[in-house]
Order: sequence, then C-alpha cells, then structure tokens
Amino acid sequence: VQLVESGGGLVQPGGSLTLSCAASGFIVTRNYMTWVRQAPGKGLEWVSIIYSGGSTYFADSVKGRFTISRHNAKNTMFLQMNNLRVEDTAVYYCARVGSATLAFDVWGQGTTVTVSS
Amino acid sequence: DIQMTQSPSSLSASVGDRVTITCRASQSIAGYLNWYQQKPGKAPNLLIYAASSLQSGVPSRFSGSGSGTDFTLTISSLQPEDFATYYCQQSNNRPYSFGQGTKLEIK
Repeated sequence: VQLVESGGGLVQPGGSLTLSCAASGFIVTRNYMTWVRQAPGKGLEWVSIIYSGGSTYFADSVKGRFTISRHNAKNTMFLQMNNLRVEDTAVYYCARVGSATLAFDVWGQGTTVTVSS
Repeated sequence: DIQMTQSPSSLSASVGDRVTITCRASQSIAGYLNWYQQKPGKAPNLLIYAASSLQSGVPSRFSGSGSGTDFTLTISSLQPEDFATYYCQQSNNRPYSFGQGTKLEIK
C-alpha cells in the first residue's frame, strides 16, 4: 500500500498547478482520500477531502480556488490549484482516510509547492 | 470550526522516561481523535486512532486515552527513535483540524 505525489514546483502568484497522487495496493475510488499541507516550519493544515461517493469538501482558505478529483483507470487523485497565493507555499501530502475512523492511515512522501515571483 | 490545542508545545525528556502530551478540543469531538508522529523531512505517521486504538505496526509503548474534549498521548518508555513532533487531529467535523504540534527533544 503506497501513495506517491508529483507535480509540485515553483509558480508565480496567480498561477496554477496540478498535483497528482498515485496509489498502489488499494483502489482510490473505493476509499476516502485527502490532501494536507505544511508550510515551511509550520504545522499540518487539512486542505481537502473526496469521499468514495464523490462528494468533495475544502478548507475555507482554498475554497473556490482548489479542486479535488480522481481518475479511476489511473488509480490517481488530483489537486487542481488555481489563483495560487504566496501563502499556499507548502509541502502537500496526500493520504488515505479510514472510512470508519476518519484517521489518515496511509501518507505519501509529499510534494513541494512554492508560490513566488 | 473546532480548535485543537496541544500542550506542551515542546518537551525535553530522556531515553526511558514516561511522557504525556495533552490535546484539548474547543468542543466535544466524542472519540474522533487521532495522533500522528512526524520526523524531520518525512510525512506524518498514524500512531493512534479513535482516541485509544493502536495503529497496526506501532509499538505498544504508545497509548492514547480520553473522550469529549480532553485527550492524552502517553509514551511509556521513550526510545531514541521517538524524538519527533507529535500532532493530534480531530475527525469529528470538517475542517479536520490539527493541533499545533508538540516537539519532543532529547534532554
């Protein structure tokens, strides 16, 4: 069971970026999946969740700018980030969420997003 | 939104010590409280879920307790690999908020 993120990089304020989270050992669409971020030197911040039924929710700090989705055949989850701000700079982690406990039980290694001019 | 407050923010201890970290929620979260360990440059790792259930593969020296608004994580006998930052997280209501973290350092 493994998650591997990709897609991070340097982007200017107002720009866009799409992060990917490829899963192995389990099926993304049968699980709840989430994104968590960590700004440099700071704590963990929950960003978004997609439930197995397809419902999605976002933190207020990213609502209206970020979109979460998944691709069944690729067994991959995505985070589309638009209108990026300097304060979105962080390591972004994807994680699997236990459907009964809602604990984040499998994590990816993280991908770094830097928003700077 | 539910605010999670951990104490202390940092802690110095020695190998073999018994350590307790507390986490308080701003409103009742029943038993929907999880604990994670994070080492520098690494992803968090789930230790305890549902307040007191030990995640598979986690050593039994880790334990959790509490319900409602007050929770604790206890490490019964610190090992060198336990020096890390610990986070609590509530999964009762969205947004699924984390505590600010407790950095456990070697004395």
